[in-house]
Amino acid sequence: KAGVTQTPRYLIKTRGQQVTLSCSPISGHRSVSWYQQTPGQGLQFLFEYFSETQRNKGNFPGRFSGRQFSNSRSEMNVSTLELGDSALYLCASSWGARTGGYTFGSGTRLTVV
Amino acid sequence: AQKITQTQPGMFVQEKEAVTLDCTYDTSDQSYGLFWYKQPSSGEMIFLIYQGSYDEQNATEGRYSLNFQKARKSANLVISASQLGDSAMYFCAMRGSEGGYQKVTFGTGTKLQVIP
Repeated sequence: KAGVTQTPRYLIKTRGQQVTLSCSPISGHRSVSWYQQTPGQGLQFLFEYFSETQRNKGNFPGRFSGRQFSNSRSEMNVSTLELGDSALYLCASSWGARTGGYTFGSGTRLTVV
Repeated sequence: AQKITQTQPGMFVQEKEAVTLDCTYDTSDQSYGLFWYKQPSSGEMIFLIYQGSYDEQNATEGRYSLNFQKARKSANLVISASQLGDSAMYFCAMRGSEGGYQKVTFGTGTKLQVIP
């Protein structure tokens, strides 16, 4: 059974550019969540999608956006990149119920220079 | 507001010994879930164990058990018979309702090092 797949694994971008990260959940999982992890702020929740609808959103500026497709794959977009956006971006999938755990991908490490 | 507190930034444990990682939480929600994750140096978050707020028995998964004390709002992770491969960051997390939405909050993590 394939796990959660995130692409790319590593990315280097320049300030002001935009970036799109991809996440393919475990087959059958309808919920996809995104998190940003930095040494200073720890793990912070970005947003969650369920059946193509954004169900939750964290406290991030509008430069951070996402979407989910009918096959549950999700993309996260960050526009006008800033140096502080350098982080490990983790995606997690689940069945979508209130109970149970999330399965995380290996993450995309984004470096903004 | 929902909050998770992990007061131990780092811990050492001798191989084959048991270790307890502390986690306290705060929420006004009556129905919530508590999770523990392991993050090795590779970066991937590995789900370890889940406890629902209405579960009467403590959750167990192999060498992992969750010591759930609802009145004290604590959800400590106990790892029995530590192995070298247990060396990693450990995160406690909670899923609950806030402002009408489901929200997941993570603690700051505890770095566990297993000594041979």
